[in-house]
Amino acid sequence: EIVMMQSPATLSVSPGERATLSCRASQSVSSNLAWYQQKPGQAPRLLIYGASTRATGIPARFSGSGSGTEFTLTISSLQSEDFAVYYCQQYNNWPPFTFGPGTKVDIK
Amino acid sequence: QVTLRESGPALVKPTQTLTLTCTFSGFSLSTSGMCVSWVRQPPGKALEWLALIDWDDDKYYSTSLKTRLTISKDTSKNQVVLTMTNMDPVDTATYYCGGGSSWYSDYWGQGTLVTVSS
Repeated sequence: EIVMMQSPATLSVSPGERATLSCRASQSVSSNLAWYQQKPGQAPRLLIYGASTRATGIPARFSGSGSGTEFTLTISSLQSEDFAVYYCQQYNNWPPFTFGPGTKVDIK
Repeated sequence: QVTLRESGPALVKPTQTLTLTCTFSGFSLSTSGMCVSWVRQPPGKALEWLALIDWDDDKYYSTSLKTRLTISKDTSKNQVVLTMTNMDPVDTATYYCGGGSSWYSDYWGQGTLVTVSS
């Protein structure tokens, strides 16, 4: 079973700054990786799939990169609505389609 | 417009069986490539993937929970049902269903909180 790891656990960022979130897989997942955003009391929202393709309606300030075991989600200029928890999920080796533990992005 | 909605009991007793229904619109699970998943989230904790069923009626389960889970679909009703047996207080969580054209979920329901308590 693939284990997904995310770092840091919490990232404190000022509005307008760049945020870089990392996701690592215990073995290669090729480019079969998705990123989700979750705000308190809300369902997850798909941001990125295929490691780097933005989902419909996702602003261009969100970008994903990486392949194999190392992945990055970058938010180029944080807006107030971007403060949330971000999860990565692999869907290459299944079951299960494991999620990472999440990175909380909060206001510095 | 794609929508999904979870329904089921808010409270179950330990050892009981939980049955949750995901009712969706805007897509058909008979369309090639479409999938519906179940994911849960204990209060204050991370997402945990539980199960997935695809358009071809292939089913996939969490390795740690597979002996307790059953997923099924009723294409005519646009519904997916998840049952979880032998419920325990540690199963207290918000349960989400998600759908899309791949193994990840493009669309999500709002979730339903299930509390396990006697």
